[in-house]
Amino acid sequence: AQTVTQSQPEMSVQEAETVTLSCTYDTSESDYYLFWYKQPPSRQMILVIRQEAYKQQNATENRFSVNFQKAAKSFSLKISDSQLGDAAMYFCAYRQGAQKLVFGQGTRLTINP
Amino acid sequence: DSGVTQTPKHLITATGQRVTLRCSPRSGDLSVYWYQQSLDQGLQFLIQYYNGEERAKGNILERFSAQQFPDLHSELNLSSLELGDSALYFCASSVALAKQETQYFGPGTRLLVL
Repeated sequence: AQTVTQSQPEMSVQEAETVTLSCTYDTSESDYYLFWYKQPPSRQMILVIRQEAYKQQNATENRFSVNFQKAAKSFSLKISDSQLGDAAMYFCAYRQGAQKLVFGQGTRLTINP
Repeated sequence: DSGVTQTPKHLITATGQRVTLRCSPRSGDLSVYWYQQSLDQGLQFLIQYYNGEERAKGNILERFSAQQFPDLHSELNLSSLELGDSALYFCASSVALAKQETQYFGPGTRLLVL
């Protein structure tokens, strides 16, 4: 079974600085998708960024970018110019095909003003 | 706003009771997923429906059941409730079954069993 591991239960960063959240996953498949979801205090699950495993280029969405290392099965999220509104739980997730999402345990990100 | 709606937002009930959670997917989405988020188990997949048919099952208890209706809304039924069923229940939807599709989440229903 596929598993997703987020080894950092909590992270903090100064406002305007850069922070990287780690995620590793385990799969024997070659075609899959990886996601980062953000869950603010409202508890809404918000898609931050996605990466297709067949694409070598790392995905970028404004201040959010990923470092996808397929061989190492690593998928980290970099947040640049951190803002107070970035404070949330961040979940890394794996999906193969049109199937269920498998989530990591989450990383709680605190932004210090 | 993802376009996925869930009702009710909050639900407080007693052990042994039965509740129904409702989900309306985004307009045009045929696939619906249910997830449970609890403190001890994290975010777990429960069940998936596609165009009215059950598509996949996760760690869903036998006391739980779901269905998707012809208008594509879905309901998750939880019966013989236990304290451990207290959790946030999410519904997500996607257009169909293509592998590149994104699942969009509703705001969740927070269930508290006393």
